[in-house]
Amino acid sequence: GAGVSQSPRYKVAKRGQDVALRCDPISGHVSLFWYQQALGQGPEFLTYFQNEAQLDKSGLPSDRFFAERPEGSVSTLKIQRTQQEDSAVYLCASSSRAYNEQFFGPGTRLTVL
Amino acid sequence: KQEVTQIPAALSVPEGENLVLNCSFTDSAIYNLQWFRQDPGKGLTSLLLIQSSQREQTSGRLNASLDKSSGRSTLYIAASQPGDSATYLCAGPRDSTLGRLYFGRGTQLTVWP
Repeated sequence: GAGVSQSPRYKVAKRGQDVALRCDPISGHVSLFWYQQALGQGPEFLTYFQNEAQLDKSGLPSDRFFAERPEGSVSTLKIQRTQQEDSAVYLCASSSRAYNEQFFGPGTRLTVL
Repeated sequence: KQEVTQIPAALSVPEGENLVLNCSFTDSAIYNLQWFRQDPGKGLTSLLLIQSSQREQTSGRLNASLDKSSGRSTLYIAASQPGDSATYLCAGPRDSTLGRLYFGRGTQLTVWP
């Protein structure tokens, strides 16, 4: 595709459920980032992949959050035992390499009831 | 921790005005700088990237400048139009963070006819 795509666009989960959010980066982009955006705030960094290697996961808020990119293309962000404070928009971005221009997907809006 | 401040937080202007949006970083060691726009319920659209060796970048009615010594950037919007209404976010990586972006909270712009 021409841009970054994310699915699902919207997800409603009951507290305690596990969720999986998918990101398809621009083809050939080495770098992939996940960000979390709370209402009225700027995005906050979660984790970074260079190809399949997760080089920075310092932004993951707890050990309930896990991300992978096993073949260096599609990435999945998994949240276990969701809590209400996990409600946010989760944004994925890719770039041709680190420090280059980042292109964002439309985001997944997660609501935890 | 890198803090990013955007001023003003909100701006409401009539069509045709020239606008100035400001962005500043507490740690001036930023590698490059991107400006984005975000429409309600949507992802981020990249507007301009000022590379590490550049001081400014222009695209149509938009011009952005970067002063790395002070950690400040300014986005100029000429002859504003109602279609420019959106939230504008600035973001930049620090030299040592593999490209992870630090975002401000944005300037919410409304341009009325």
